[in-house]
Amino acid sequence: EDQVTQSPEALRLQEGESSSLNCSYTVSGLRGLFWYRQDPGKGPEFLFTLYSAGEEKEKERLKATLTKKESFLHITAPKPEDSATYLCAVQTLSGGGADGLTFGKGTHLIIQP
Amino acid sequence: EPEVTQTPSHQVTQMGQEVILRCVPISNHLYFYWYRQILGQKVEFLVSFYNNEISEKSEIFDDQFSVERPDGSNFTLKIRSTKLEDSAMYFCASSTQGALTGELFFGEGSRLTVL
Repeated sequence: EDQVTQSPEALRLQEGESSSLNCSYTVSGLRGLFWYRQDPGKGPEFLFTLYSAGEEKEKERLKATLTKKESFLHITAPKPEDSATYLCAVQTLSGGGADGLTFGKGTHLIIQP
Repeated sequence: EPEVTQTPSHQVTQMGQEVILRCVPISNHLYFYWYRQILGQKVEFLVSFYNNEISEKSEIFDDQFSVERPDGSNFTLKIRSTKLEDSAMYFCASSTQGALTGELFFGEGSRLTVL
């Protein structure tokens, strides 16, 4: 069974304090790994897609990286508006392009001013 | 900016009642999904829909669930006889190229409370 584990469950940082969130996965064959942001009471919002080990994607203060077993979401000099739950999801080789994503439980990030 | 819209935002129902959750996906999208999130739990895949038929469904999506695209704009999830454990936030999502790109656009969700 495909598994996605995110750590830590919660993280509190001071504004400007950089850190990394981890997503480790155990899947039958990875097609893609995705990062989403979820604000309270809202649906997930797409951030990044990573397909192969060594790949990196950046957007503003966020950078996502991928290895064969895990992905990291690096947050550089975060601001209070970066506070959210960050979700990792995978799609595996068992399905076609329309298949569902398997999500982790997320990391609840709080950035204090 | 185009967005996925869902109605109702919150529905309270009695156990055993039928519920229909409605979604209007982004207009040029071809792939449609329903996910659910029980309070405090992870987002779980229910069903994907493409070319007017179900592409894949999860173990959660049993005979009590059905989906329909009755016209060119709406996408609905029906729960035939609700159970207490169906209480969750239900998210509709759509995409242009399928889940392989990972770029799903989610609605704000419909919160279902079963009493």
